[in-house]
Amino acid sequence: GAGVSQSPSNKVTEKGKDVELRCDPISGHTALYWYRQSLGQGLEFLIYFQGNSAPDKSGLPSDRFSAERTGGSVSTLTIQRTQQEDSAVYLCASSLRSVQETQYFGPGTRLLVL
Amino acid sequence: DAKTTQPTSMDCAEGRAANLPCNHSTISGNEYVYWYRQIHSQGPQYIIHGLKNNETNEMASLIITEDRKSSTLILPHATLRDTAVYYCIVRSLRDNYGQNFVFGPGTRLSVLP
Repeated sequence: GAGVSQSPSNKVTEKGKDVELRCDPISGHTALYWYRQSLGQGLEFLIYFQGNSAPDKSGLPSDRFSAERTGGSVSTLTIQRTQQEDSAVYLCASSLRSVQETQYFGPGTRLLVL
Repeated sequence: DAKTTQPTSMDCAEGRAANLPCNHSTISGNEYVYWYRQIHSQGPQYIIHGLKNNETNEMASLIITEDRKSSTLILPHATLRDTAVYYCIVRSLRDNYGQNFVFGPGTRLSVLP
């Protein structure tokens, strides 16, 4: 079946601009996660949506970062006033119901802020 | 802080078994061992997980020691496409937050022709 998809696959932007990254989870998965991975580093948790519950935003690095999940499916991660240190691969994952299950990752969006 | 230690890198001949070790000496009773891999420029891929019994699926086998302080991921017949960074992760399933999903630096496996 179809896996997690993300778009765009690559994004180059200028410092100060806003960007939106999209994630389509596996159909039927109610839990969705955003992570970022800087060059040569491990995954950094950003935010976690589970069903209709309030999202766990504790990993968002600043108030320039926000995410929403409309209709319990597609999610958008927005970075406002991008900075060069925001350059990273942004990964989305989904699981069937919660963190108690295996997370399946998308291919990521490679963001470069010039 | 990652709860696991893995060798930085390993080589394996194509067609041979690749045995990737992981130490998790502080693992607690409710924590599972998960393995993921990340092929260059792709997102992490789930491989296998287990609690205390050995597990096998179409990709790999997971051998967990009786004291659960270490485990070994076995790729029975490594191919060039198995070249990747392999991550061993310890996770509690009681915690209801996404933050317990912590990747360490992993093992870079190179499958050689």
